[in-house]
Amino acid sequence: DAGVIQSPRHEVTEMGQEVTLRCKPISGHDYLFWYRQTMMRGLELLIYFNNNVPIDDSGMPEDRFSAKMPNASFSTLKIQPSEPRDSAVYFCASSPTLTGALNYGYTFGSGTRLTVV
Amino acid sequence: AQSVSQHNHHVILSEAASLELGCNYSYGGTVNLFWYVQYPGQHLQLLLKYFSGDPLVKGIKGFEAEFIKSKFSFNLRKPSVQWSDTAEYFCAVGGGYNKLIFGAGTRLAVHP
Repeated sequence: DAGVIQSPRHEVTEMGQEVTLRCKPISGHDYLFWYRQTMMRGLELLIYFNNNVPIDDSGMPEDRFSAKMPNASFSTLKIQPSEPRDSAVYFCASSPTLTGALNYGYTFGSGTRLTVV
Repeated sequence: AQSVSQHNHHVILSEAASLELGCNYSYGGTVNLFWYVQYPGQHLQLLLKYFSGDPLVKGIKGFEAEFIKSKFSFNLRKPSVQWSDTAEYFCAVGGGYNKLIFGAGTRLAVHP
């Protein structure tokens, strides 16, 4: 298995531009999580999906952030418009079940390093 | 609310020194506890986990952690670190809110 695949690995964009981050979970994993990592806040859960349905988006910082999962093999996290304070590493993770996630942890992707200038 | 506190943000050690990274959590119920490691430029990888049984858990690469319920702690230890242990270490808690809550992380630098 190729693991959780994220793209792009690095993104540099200008303030005000739209940014789309992509994630392909491990095949068969029903749960997908988006995390943001910053120096100040560490790892924050933004949103997670179960069977393509958003379950908990309470961590999404504001309306500029949106996430979708149109099918079991693809999810996007979009920021529109982007701001410098959105600069961070964004990780996607997946798990076959929630119980599995809570008992055994997630499988993480390599992350997307976003820089907004 | 469930939360995780990692006391040391940066730790610098020489090779062969002993390591202990602190992790405390707040949650009154049954918890599952994890340590993840992130090597430079890589994704997070599971180092070890605890969810029941022996409170002393052994993980990969010589790491271990001890769950002390009375102290709400799950400290990570290694008796002798190597340069290749340079990484960021995250403590995480699962169990109460159907999601893993991560600490802010501890950056470890090991000098040869």
